[in-house]
Amino acid sequence: GAGVSQTPSNKVTEKGKYVELRCDPISGHTALYWYRQSLGQGPEFLIYFQGTGAADDSGLPNDRFFAVRPEGSVSTLKIQRTERGDSAVYLCASSLAGQKSSEQFFGPGTRLTVL
Amino acid sequence: GDSVTQMEGPVTLSEEAFLTINCTYTATGYPSLFWYVQYPGEGLQLLLKATKADDKGSNKGFEATYRKETTSFHLEKGSVQVSDSAVYFCALAYNQGGKLIFGQGTELSVKP
Repeated sequence: GAGVSQTPSNKVTEKGKYVELRCDPISGHTALYWYRQSLGQGPEFLIYFQGTGAADDSGLPNDRFFAVRPEGSVSTLKIQRTERGDSAVYLCASSLAGQKSSEQFFGPGTRLTVL
Repeated sequence: GDSVTQMEGPVTLSEEAFLTINCTYTATGYPSLFWYVQYPGEGLQLLLKATKADDKGSNKGFEATYRKETTSFHLEKGSVQVSDSAVYFCALAYNQGGKLIFGQGTELSVKP
């Protein structure tokens, strides 16, 4: 079956611009996660959805970052007034139940470059 | 706060050598522990996991044992292959939401 997909695969933008990154999870997975991975580092947690609601947004670095999942499936990560420090690979993952023992399935990521 | 520390890479081995990648963690409560792998040009995928103390996770010849007394989850393989060349990430999940906390990753390069 289809895995987690993310679009675009690459995004180049200018400092101060607004960007949207999309994640399409595995069908039937109720839990969806966003992570950010900088070069040479492990992924860092940003936000977790259970269904339509953000159950844990403790990893969002500031109020320029926002994410939605209006119908409990596709999610969009939105970044306002982008800064050069936002450049990273943004990963989306989904899991069947959102439990601490659950396997998370990762998408290929969106590489964001802020010039 | 909760954290995961892995041995630094890159690790370079010859084919059929024994592999150990060290991983230690700090966590409140009783986390689940994972090893994820990222092969060149591919996304992160689960390699193995253990959900409670003394559990052993295994897959593709890799093993790791959840050691609560030493807060460790070291990855081992008896005989590595060139195809094992990848970046390996140790991670923990410590609450019902399951958010993962990752180590910094260890790059493994296996030479023929």
